[in-house]
Amino acid sequence: AQSVTQLDSQVPVFEEAPVELRCNYSSSVSVYLFWYVQYPNQGLQLLLKYLSGSTLVESINGFEAEFNKSQTSFHLRKPSVHISDTAEYFCAVSLEAAGNKLTFGGGTRVLVKP
Amino acid sequence: EPEVTQTPSHQVTQMGQEVILRCVPISNHLYFYWYRQILGQKVEFLVSFYNNEISEKSEIFDDQFSVERPDGSNFTLKIRSTKLEDSAMYFCARSAHGGKPVPYEQYFGPGTRLTVT
Repeated sequence: AQSVTQLDSQVPVFEEAPVELRCNYSSSVSVYLFWYVQYPNQGLQLLLKYLSGSTLVESINGFEAEFNKSQTSFHLRKPSVHISDTAEYFCAVSLEAAGNKLTFGGGTRVLVKP
Repeated sequence: EPEVTQTPSHQVTQMGQEVILRCVPISNHLYFYWYRQILGQKVEFLVSFYNNEISEKSEIFDDQFSVERPDGSNFTLKIRSTKLEDSAMYFCARSAHGGKPVPYEQYFGPGTRLTVT
């Protein structure tokens, strides 16, 4: 069975500073990787995904994540955060063989301070 | 792509009562999922539903849970006899593409907060 670990439960960061959210997964077969964001009092929104191809994927709002197979990681980064990036971020994996259910990490709460 | 809508947004019920949570997909996709998030814990998979049948279910999805798509549109999760530990946020999701399982992303609804007293 696959599992996902997000090492940081909370990350405080100042506005315009960079941020990195760590995600490591465990699986014996190939996985597909996702980052979801949950803004306060809202549902889960897809931020970005890795299915195949280039190991560096980007979102439209400046986030990027890099798939590293040897380290089984999919860390999320943003070079300069905004107040509006305050949210909880969830890393998730799926296996095609498992019928596409998502297995989530515990989430990282990002608090951007002015 | 548009997400799903869920009703109600918040449901308060007494222990032992039955609740039905509803999910309405914006477009006609074949794969649907239910997840739950107990306060302060991980988002957990409950069940996937394909072509009007359960495709996969987790160990959490025991006999007190059931899912159906009674009118070909709404997708419901029923909890027959609620327990205090069923208090959680319940999310419905749909796959990006219809047809057989493919490793595409899922789109989530805003969730229903269930409070069991």
